[in-house]
Amino acid sequence: KQEVTQIPAALSVPEGENLVLNCSFTDSAIYNLQWFRQDPGKGLTSLLLIQSSQREQTSGRLNASLDKSSGRSTLYIAASQPGDSATYLCAAPEETSGSRLTFGEGTQLTVNP
Amino acid sequence: NAGVTQTPKFRVLKTGQSMTLLCAQDMNHEYMYWYRQDPGMGLRLIHYSVGEGTTAKGEVPDGYNVSRLKKQNFLLGLESAAPSQTSVYFCASSQTRARTQYFGPGTRLLVL
Repeated sequence: KQEVTQIPAALSVPEGENLVLNCSFTDSAIYNLQWFRQDPGKGLTSLLLIQSSQREQTSGRLNASLDKSSGRSTLYIAASQPGDSATYLCAAPEETSGSRLTFGEGTQLTVNP
Repeated sequence: NAGVTQTPKFRVLKTGQSMTLLCAQDMNHEYMYWYRQDPGMGLRLIHYSVGEGTTAKGEVPDGYNVSRLKKQNFLLGLESAAPSQTSVYFCASSQTRARTQYFGPGTRLLVL
C-alpha cells in the first residue's frame, strides 16, 4: 500500500525566499507524481505532474523533481510571494490499482510580506 | 468551460437522512473520483469510475454508493447519513489514470 509523507507540515518564510517542500513515497513503482495547491476552503489545483521517465518539471517559479529510486520528490519555489501562501500536497499512484492516488497530508506554507 | 462542478456547496443533514452529491465535468474525461478530506487524515478516495457505467471502490467506500450513468456525471449517495460522514467531499476527473486530476470546489457536509 502506497504511503506518502510530506515534511515539514508547516513552513513560514519571508517574502523573496527560495524554499523546498519535500515528499516521500514508499512504493517506487509509480508512473507519475503530482503536486497540488489548496487554498483555504477551496478545491485542489494541479501545479505539476512529473512522469516516471522525467526527473524534473518546471512551471514558472516552480520546479518539481522526482527520484524514484529513493522514493522522493521535491517542490522548489523560487522568490516566494505572499500569494504563494497555501497548502501544497503531493500525490503518488497506487501501482497495483492503477487509478488511485494516495495523497500526503500537505505542507502549509505562509509567505510573510 | 466550467471544468468540474459540484452540487450542493454546503449541506446539513440529520443522522439517518439520505442525500446525493452531484459532480459534473465538461472536459470529456473518462475517469472520475470522489474523495473526502478530514483534518489529520488527508484526502482519501471513496469511489472512482474509469468510464461511463463503471464504478469501483476506493479506500473508504463503506456507507457510500455511486453511479456513473452519463460520462459527464458522477453521483455520490449517502443512504443513511452518520456523524462520521461529516467531511468535505471533493470530486475530480482525469482523461486517463496517468494524466492530471482536476478537482471541483468541494461540498461541505455536516451530519448532526
